Amino acid sequence: DAGITQSPRHKVTETGTPVTLRCHQTENHRYMYWYRQDPGHGLRLIHYSYGVKDTDKGEVSDGYSVSRSKTEDFLLTLESATSSQTSVYFCAISAQPGGTQETQYFGPGTRLLVL
Amino acid sequence: AQTVTQSQPEMSVQEAETVTLSCTYDTSESDYYLFWYKQPPSRQMILVIRQEAYKQQNATENRFSVNFQKAAKSFSLKISDSQLGDAAMYFCAYRRDPVSGTYKYIFGTGTRLKVLA
Repeated sequence: DAGITQSPRHKVTETGTPVTLRCHQTENHRYMYWYRQDPGHGLRLIHYSYGVKDTDKGEVSDGYSVSRSKTEDFLLTLESATSSQTSVYFCAISAQPGGTQETQYFGPGTRLLVL
Repeated sequence: AQTVTQSQPEMSVQEAETVTLSCTYDTSESDYYLFWYKQPPSRQMILVIRQEAYKQQNATENRFSVNFQKAAKSFSLKISDSQLGDAAMYFCAYRRDPVSGTYKYIFGTGTRLKVLA
């Protein structure tokens, strides 16, 4: 299994508070992704990174920011949490595309509840 | 924009039988990758199988195989000899090869597979 961890695994917070989720990998993969999973929507991309300090928006990026200061860590911040951001958040990694490494490996997920 | 459609929200199969999950996608690209991921109750996402669009041969991984129809933009997953452990949510995913060098994945909404003993 690819070495990907997410922290925290569960979090309850209140509306309006900032929240940071951490994704950590030990695979030295270049690409890292943050998704949210909601019933009826499947997985939707929030932000992704293609290198240290190189990030780009996905399809549901409003209200989220990311940072990647080291290859192994990709942080997702909810600047001011809202109830609509209650979801399960997945981090994923992938190596340089091509060959047998062309796939995404997912972390275990973080369940976030915003009250 | 690319889209991925899984039209079967839920399916059931008898243990030891065969089941096929459907996936269609829309793209104007000629080079891309397609994936099936499995998400059991633990919520961990697990890669089941991968298909490169330039390969005509359908991918196979043990009891899992795909029927890739490029012209029809169809990518179905066949599970043979279904086992109780196959019960999960299955996601179809598409990844293009953009000129820019960035790699985004697009997922379908998933099909929940129940395996009946």
